[in-house]
Amino acid sequence: EAGVTQSPTHLIKTRGQQATLRCSPISGHTSVYWYQQALGLGLQFLLWYDEGEERNRGNFPPRFSGRQFPNYSSELNVNALELEDSALYLCASSLVAEQYFGPGTRLTVT
Amino acid sequence: QQQVKQSPQSLIVQKGGISIINCAYENTAFDYFPWYQQFPGKGPALLIAIRPDVSEKKEGRFTISFNKSAKQFSLHIMDSQPGDSATYFCAASKGSARQLTFGSGTQLTVLP
Repeated sequence: EAGVTQSPTHLIKTRGQQATLRCSPISGHTSVYWYQQALGLGLQFLLWYDEGEERNRGNFPPRFSGRQFPNYSSELNVNALELEDSALYLCASSLVAEQYFGPGTRLTVT
Repeated sequence: QQQVKQSPQSLIVQKGGISIINCAYENTAFDYFPWYQQFPGKGPALLIAIRPDVSEKKEGRFTISFNKSAKQFSLHIMDSQPGDSATYFCAASKGSARQLTFGSGTQLTVLP
């Protein structure tokens, strides 16, 4: 069974630009979660989508947004990039409680 | 406010020894407690998880001990191997709000 996949692996953007990150969940999973893993800040919850709806968001500004498509894949958009947005962005999927993570997208903002 | 506190920050254990990582939580509404293992450049991998109605859960060399009254839980890795060298995260979630709150991580090094 294929795991959670994320693309791209690496993304380099300039401050002020927009970044789009993509995630495909495990087949059969309806929930997708996004987390940010920044150096020194640990893993922080960003967004949770389930059945196409945003269910909850973490303590991040509105320039972090996303959506979930009918096939349950998801997209995270980060607008007006700032240097401190440089981090590993992790997507996880679940059917119930157990969350399974993808390999992440490394976003570097210069 | 950090809701899940993890210790130690780093741990060095000899091969064959027992690795113990501890977590404490503040929010009594938490009802699901997983542990994740993360290797450099990889996403976290779910190791084992427990709910508050159970005091201990064992899967292979990995055991979670849970103390509800103390609001603490720990991961024990028996017969630690060099391949276990990784960063370990505890986490917690509550009810219908399924997002995970993570501890700060423990970097485990198992010496051969």
